[in-house]
Amino acid sequence: DIVMTQTPLSLSVTPGQPASISCKSSQSLLHSDGKTYLYWYLQKPGQPPQLLIYEVSNRFSGVPDRFSGSGSGTDFTLKISRVEAEDVGVYYCMQSIQLPPFTFGPGTKVDIK
Amino acid sequence: QVQLVESGGGLVKPGGSLRLSCAASGFTFSDYYMSWIRQAPGKGLEWVSYISSSSSYTNYADSVKGRFTISRDNAKNSLYLQMNSLRAEDTAVYYCAREVTPWGQGTLVTVSS
Repeated sequence: DIVMTQTPLSLSVTPGQPASISCKSSQSLLHSDGKTYLYWYLQKPGQPPQLLIYEVSNRFSGVPDRFSGSGSGTDFTLKISRVEAEDVGVYYCMQSIQLPPFTFGPGTKVDIK
Repeated sequence: QVQLVESGGGLVKPGGSLRLSCAASGFTFSDYYMSWIRQAPGKGLEWVSYISSSSSYTNYADSVKGRFTISRDNAKNSLYLQMNSLRAEDTAVYYCAREVTPWGQGTLVTVSS
């Protein structure tokens, strides 16, 4: 199975400041169809995970443009340009190139200073 | 809008059984593969099982293989997870998911004597 790792595992951010989370996979997530199957989710307290970014860099419907994703192959990054209070929660990266199974990173807990 | 509603969770003794259901609405259920994903209390996300759109293909995490069975009824827009021989480590919130999004709100399964 593909192993996903994330750094850092926790992050405390001042509102209005940027934040960045790294995700690495044990194998390339680039499919022969040209797509890279890397996703980012945010799980707010008491809620199910919600999709933020699909296929590395595409914001899902309704996701604010302060969220952006980048990367290729095995190294990926989620950036929040200016953190807001509503962005607190746990961020997970996930791969689906090898399906099944989906595999998730361990999560990065983001809170506000 | 797209909606997934899980039901069937509850408290069960070790060795017992439980059947989870996920009612789908707002989309053509038979067009999508579906998954069950779980989250133990205070822990990360673990993919549990997958079923293709026509039920021709299923797969399971090693941790549940031989004990859990995924199924679907496209005529009823419903997904199921039959869980047998339950163990304490199966205690989790169980989410159903349509491909990568959305996820339902989840149903809590507690395995305890």
